[in-house]
Amino acid sequence: GNSVTQMEGPVTLSEEAFLTINCTYTATGYPSLFWYVQYPGEGLQLLLKATKADDKGSNKGFEATYRKETTSFHLEKGSVQVSDSAVYFCALSGVQGAQKLVFGQGTRLTINP
Amino acid sequence: EAEVAQSPRYKITEKSQAVAFWCDPISGHATLYWYRQILGQGPELLVQFQDESVVDDSQLPKDRFSAERLKGVDSTLKIQPAELGDSAMYLCASSLEHSSYNEQFFGPGTRLTVL
Repeated sequence: GNSVTQMEGPVTLSEEAFLTINCTYTATGYPSLFWYVQYPGEGLQLLLKATKADDKGSNKGFEATYRKETTSFHLEKGSVQVSDSAVYFCALSGVQGAQKLVFGQGTRLTINP
Repeated sequence: EAEVAQSPRYKITEKSQAVAFWCDPISGHATLYWYRQILGQGPELLVQFQDESVVDDSQLPKDRFSAERLKGVDSTLKIQPAELGDSAMYLCASSLEHSSYNEQFFGPGTRLTVL
């Protein structure tokens, strides 16, 4: 079936460190890929997306590139801030025409000053 | 800025009781989703509506869960009877178009605790 696997958390970094959160997927066909973020006490928000192979999504200094050959969509940021502390979810949709999002298990990120 | 509204934000109930959650999507959004998020896991789709019609309810436990969107606007998700394993966050989302590229906007969720 269709699924998303994220790196295990929690992840703790110091401010200004480089961030990578790994995400790989299994899907029939060519899904759209997303990163959602959930800040403490808030709902899920779309962070970035990519709809076809080699597309790069970017927002708020975060980037992820759709790699079909490795079925990956790793999230990166060059210099994290305390305000980036949140839970990050990788997700896919559009498999066999379905709009529903299929999420990974989430990665909790904590940034220390 | 338009938001997806959900109520209540928190609900504590005893097993075998009935509970209901309400969602009001962003105005004009034809597609509405209910997801369940168990602690430590990602959300999973329970039911998807396009206007007032159910598009996907394959993961909805129909023996105890029901969902409706009678006028194609707001929606209600009901559990009867609630079981201990139903404790989770129930998320509502909406999107503007019938497209997998289209952003889904999420509400703040209803956290259900079943005792």
